[in-house]
Amino acid sequence: QSVLTQPPSVSGAPGQRVTISCTGSSSNIGAGYDVHWYQQLPGTAPKLLIYGNSNRPSGVPDRFSGSKSGTSASLAITGLQAEDEADYYCQSYDSSLSGFHVVFGGGTKLTVL
Amino acid sequence: EVQLVQSGAEVKKPGESLKISCKGSGYSFTSYWIGWVRQMPGKGLEWMGIIYPGDSDTRYSPSFQGQVTISADKSISTAYLQWSSLKASDTAMYYCARRSRQQLVSENWFDPWGQGTLVTVSS
Repeated sequence: QSVLTQPPSVSGAPGQRVTISCTGSSSNIGAGYDVHWYQQLPGTAPKLLIYGNSNRPSGVPDRFSGSKSGTSASLAITGLQAEDEADYYCQSYDSSLSGFHVVFGGGTKLTVL
Repeated sequence: EVQLVQSGAEVKKPGESLKISCKGSGYSFTSYWIGWVRQMPGKGLEWMGIIYPGDSDTRYSPSFQGQVTISADKSISTAYLQWSSLKASDTAMYYCARRSRQQLVSENWFDPWGQGTLVTVSS
């Protein structure tokens, strides 16, 4: 059971817009900690997609955008393309009795119909 | 170019020991934390721990404390993940990743990632 909750799967047709949610709690996202997003194409290592809630690294298309509000964050992908089919993970930090640690969402598989 | 290159796939038997590596290049290896992440077959990413090669300060996820050892040799810009006695349940892909250098720990992300090392434990 991941500390950050993501839907297991989302889908959309080419050209459409999809969003992926990442829900946390007061000990992680709600505590003000940043959320970052990674894209994992089939058979490859994860790649940074969004950092600091809403910033895109150089080379990431502006079709990808991130936002954060309260205890949740979202990744939006517009103008869906076949090459976007991948697993997406959110990452933040969590502060608990066991310490301060990196946490990932369970991942969301995006299918382009 | 900043790169992390991991050692090759391993096939081991239960009870055997193993040490896999992650070599950094293109940046000051001693100035960035390196983290390790497990991905079991068909599953998501799990945080294992992190090391600062500059002084070998190491932190572990509670889930992995005592199960693995993270170390680094700054003279050869390499971080390691090791097991003293492997179990079948250690079968997974393992990734290393460089942490950014934001002032607040809670602001940091991981980029780049190594290509991954597949560890298979089977009798």
